[in-house]
Amino acid sequence: NAGVTQTPKFQVLKTGQSMTLQCAQDMNHNSMYWYRQDPGMGLRLIYYSASEGTTDKGEVPNGYNVSRLNKREFSLRLESAAPSQTSVYFCASSGLAGSFGEQFFGPGTRLTVL
Amino acid sequence: QKEVEQNSGPLSVPEGAIASLNCTYSDRVSQSFFWYRQYSGKSPELIMSIYSNGDKEDGRFTAQLNKASQYVSLLIRDSQPSDSATYLCALPSGNTPLVFGKGTRLSVIA
Repeated sequence: NAGVTQTPKFQVLKTGQSMTLQCAQDMNHNSMYWYRQDPGMGLRLIYYSASEGTTDKGEVPNGYNVSRLNKREFSLRLESAAPSQTSVYFCASSGLAGSFGEQFFGPGTRLTVL
Repeated sequence: QKEVEQNSGPLSVPEGAIASLNCTYSDRVSQSFFWYRQYSGKSPELIMSIYSNGDKEDGRFTAQLNKASQYVSLLIRDSQPSDSATYLCALPSGNTPLVFGKGTRLSVIA
């Protein structure tokens, strides 16, 4: 039981490049989330998927797109990376219906945009 | 206006002492509250959840909630160096499933 897995662990991009961050969970959870964490700013929600087939914007969605591929997988895409998107990205999932707060986090992806 | 406020610290306590971490929030309708622990370079980990006024104890951890005053706190008894981490307060707010405070950095001195 791996919990929440994320790939890649590290990534360096040049401004304007695109990439997709992958996330998968094996806990049969309904809801999945993408956060970014920046020094001094804390964790901020980018997008979330309350259930398979739905996605919603969080606090900081601009510059990102997401896909809930199936119940297990939730990907985050940067179409044209900018230096302001340098951050640590965390994927999380939660299982109980309506209990969005009890979230399990993946190990994170450290992204640097030059 | 930031919705979840925490003192950034660092909060330094000697080993064996009680560490008290506080969080205030602005959304009066919030019904559930969470404490996460994050070690440096690692991901957040849920350690406590509390849903009703009063205290909730789990081992050395006690969460305290006062909805009228809009604050939630976390007490760590018999603090250990392994408790040194950043503690994040979080709660649902508006349409956002979970809003996090910026965290309080705790340092337990052996």
